[in-house]
Amino acid sequence: QVQLVESGGGVVQPGRSLRLSCAASGFTFSSYGMHWVRQAPGRGLEWVAVIWYDGSNKHYADSVKGRFTISRDNSKNTLYLQMNSLRVEDTAVYYCARDGVPAAIFTSWFDPWGQGTLVTVSS
Amino acid sequence: EIVMTQSPATLSVSPGERATLSCRASQSVSNNLAWYQQNPGQAPRLLIYGASTRATGIPARFSGSGSGTEFTLTISSLQSEDFAVYYCQQYNHWPPGGTFGQGTKVEIK
Repeated sequence: QVQLVESGGGVVQPGRSLRLSCAASGFTFSSYGMHWVRQAPGRGLEWVAVIWYDGSNKHYADSVKGRFTISRDNSKNTLYLQMNSLRVEDTAVYYCARDGVPAAIFTSWFDPWGQGTLVTVSS
Repeated sequence: EIVMTQSPATLSVSPGERATLSCRASQSVSNNLAWYQQNPGQAPRLLIYGASTRATGIPARFSGSGSGTEFTLTISSLQSEDFAVYYCQQYNHWPPGGTFGQGTKVEIK
């Protein structure tokens, strides 16, 4: 079955870096755009970043632009999020999610989602 | 950026009753709207896309309607597992990941 499994979360001090991974299985990873979405404790959902199925395009939320980098390795069926210069307000559960339409030039809905990995930025 | 506004913030409903959730966009998003369900401690799950198309495996008691700026998610007869938080998401406009509403919590009355 289609599965996404995030890893790499943890506790980190402000200003430090962390890299998240998302291992995909059960579908043709290289055919789908992939997203990162986060949820601060007790809050709603915030889209973070997207990478096109072939890696040709990447886009970021204004709140993370210049600090976070999304990437993928289609040979390893894995999505990444490199997070630098972390801030307290980046504390959240980070989910990876597959875009709804394969090989699309526009993004759509998210399905499925991984179980999430918690990132806590605290001194 | 488009603002998605969900109402009510909390909806108290008895099991077996009907629940109607609303989502309003600050400008037209055509039918490019999705609904998600999130149970406590779990990841969101896609329910509806294209405003009215049920995702694979979603029970028929869930239905979506609307277009433009006004959308509705209806749960025809609430089951115990339906008490959760529901989010709408527009994917018609920038940013590429769209924007989410703030959520509606459906709680047991």
